[in-house]
Amino acid sequence: AAGVIQSPRHLIKEKRETATLKCYPIPRHDTVYWYQQGPGQDPQFLISFYEKMQSDKGSIPDRFSAQQFSDYHSELNMSSLELGDSALYFCASTLPENTGELFFGEGSRLTVL
Amino acid sequence: EDQVTQSPEALRLQEGESSSLNCSYTVSGLRGLFWYRQDPGKGPEFLFTLYSAGEEKEKERLKATLTKKESFLHITAPKPEDSATYLCAVWGGGADGLTFGKGTHLIIQP
Repeated sequence: AAGVIQSPRHLIKEKRETATLKCYPIPRHDTVYWYQQGPGQDPQFLISFYEKMQSDKGSIPDRFSAQQFSDYHSELNMSSLELGDSALYFCASTLPENTGELFFGEGSRLTVL
Repeated sequence: EDQVTQSPEALRLQEGESSSLNCSYTVSGLRGLFWYRQDPGKGPEFLFTLYSAGEEKEKERLKATLTKKESFLHITAPKPEDSATYLCAVWGGGADGLTFGKGTHLIIQP
């Protein structure tokens, strides 16, 4: 079965650079969530989109922005990268009826040097 | 603010030694409690959803239960392949995203 696809899987950037992460949800899933997971930490909710509109915002820094496109894929844009932004970034999607169950991608590992 | 506390932080068991993981939560209007399994460097893998106190779900060697204040993940006769971090998360009335606990790192020794 198709899963949530994230790219790139690994990304290395310098401080103050910009990075973009992409997420392709499971077909028919119209809601996308972004989570950040630091080493040894629990996933922290960043932002979510439903039907291409932002639906909720968590602990997303102002330096980050995201959007969902007409084909339901989403992109997380991160600017002025800091060392503390190094983490695993997960995208998750849910069924249209949204039972709360999140289906996670494999994650994008961002390393900021 | 929704809060999830998992215990223990880490647990080492012998193969076949049954045990339980705890998830205590405070949430305004629980819409669902979720258990996920996470392997190192991988995304969380969905295991169970529990919606109301008294509900139980089973899958192979795992059984999840829910009360009004906590959930337990019981693991019966575990095998080494059950080694992973088990995350508990709540879906509350105020937030769109799930709030996760810090997880229990489970190691099953052969």
